[in-house]
Amino acid sequence: GQQLNQSPQSMFIQEGEDVSMNCTSSSIFNTWLWYKQDPGEGPVLLIALYKAGELTSNGRLTAQFGITRKDSFLNISASIPSDVGIYFCAGLASGNTPLVFGKGTRLSVIA
Amino acid sequence: DAGVIQSPRHEVTEMGQEVTLRCKPISGHDYLFWYRQTMMRGLELLIYFNNNVPIDDSGMPEDRFSAKMPNASFSTLKIQPSEPRDSAVYFCASSLGWLLQYFGPGTRLTVL
Repeated sequence: GQQLNQSPQSMFIQEGEDVSMNCTSSSIFNTWLWYKQDPGEGPVLLIALYKAGELTSNGRLTAQFGITRKDSFLNISASIPSDVGIYFCAGLASGNTPLVFGKGTRLSVIA
Repeated sequence: DAGVIQSPRHEVTEMGQEVTLRCKPISGHDYLFWYRQTMMRGLELLIYFNNNVPIDDSGMPEDRFSAKMPNASFSTLKIQPSEPRDSAVYFCASSLGWLLQYFGPGTRLTVL
């Protein structure tokens, strides 16, 4: 089946640093979503991307839909302690096919 | 606006017991999804409903798992009998239209 590979699996950064993570696939996706999961909670939708090359921001978060349609990127600028959590990418291949989720990138922020 | 509501938040049971997880989707949403999350396998889609009708249950691991949606505001996921390998966090999500799914807080299930 389709798989999404997220990297890095985990990262430790200093407060104030910028963060970059990505999600890649061997298959083409028509839509990319990014979610954040806080400990003990469900994933929360952060950003949705609908077109190849699209760049969308949500506060300090910026996500891009790769032009090959096989990848997506999430950047967080000036990280703060509440950015801690697991970030998941999810892709939709077509129509009513189920969302495919990556395994997540676990972010830790050191104050 | 209330989000997706799940109950219980935590469930500890013994092997062989029946477990029922409950979900109230966001009002007006027409899709409801049940997921299971484990460290090893990540988020797995178990089953989803459209307008209360089960559409795809190919992710349900075994016949021990069943799900129902008797009306637009309530769904259950039942495991009978439960086994230790069923221990996981179970999420319910809903969406208006297919794509933008909103997740509940999850039920952490431990089967001893």
